[in-house]
Amino acid sequence: DGGITQSPKYLFRKEGQNVTLSCEQNLNHDAMYWYRQDPGQGLRLIYYSQIVNDFQKGDIAEGYSVSREKKESFPLTVTSAQKNPTAFYLCASSKGTASNINEKLFFGSGTQLSVL
Amino acid sequence: GDSVTQMEGPVTLSEEAFLTINCTYTATGYPSLFWYVQYPGEGLQLLLKATKADDKGSNKGFEATYRKETTSFHLEKGSVQVSDSAVYFCALTPDGNNRLAFGKGNQVVVIP
Repeated sequence: DGGITQSPKYLFRKEGQNVTLSCEQNLNHDAMYWYRQDPGQGLRLIYYSQIVNDFQKGDIAEGYSVSREKKESFPLTVTSAQKNPTAFYLCASSKGTASNINEKLFFGSGTQLSVL
Repeated sequence: GDSVTQMEGPVTLSEEAFLTINCTYTATGYPSLFWYVQYPGEGLQLLLKATKADDKGSNKGFEATYRKETTSFHLEKGSVQVSDSAVYFCALTPDGNNRLAFGKGNQVVVIP
């Protein structure tokens, strides 16, 4: 089955620790995205990548980093600089880029990150 | 920048009731408009979309019409079921841009 897989489902971070959230897709999609979901605030875009080896900051990129070395993978690192990391993190992908602006996003099932 | 506003607060209603969730948008160009649904513990799924004024998106008994004159994309369903309990997000992609901007979402709870 084609899809987008996030792991782990639950993750705990200690003070000063970096943690990495995994996102893998086998849909052959070019574009991938990371969103943060907080209660009552909807989804906010952290980073996105429209093609391998390229990515752009979203609206709340501070304290996060990403890489896009392979088309299938778009891991997100939550660094110690992110002072309020507790949230539900959603990864998404879409077939096209700005030339296909009506392409729908496919979402993973999310990772809940909590601070110990 | 371009943004989406959803009505405040959760929505609780009985099975077979009529559902309306309001969504208005602010955009400088001609955005595409979407409704996404999130079931408990899951990611989001596209429910319906509309790409130009007066388009009506529909799926699973839900409908929304792109109203440029009122900058709205309200979601409606005539008879809800318990299985419709979820969080519903309105979203848009600004003209020429593939980055979705989401509203805050509305929790819908349908009581048997």
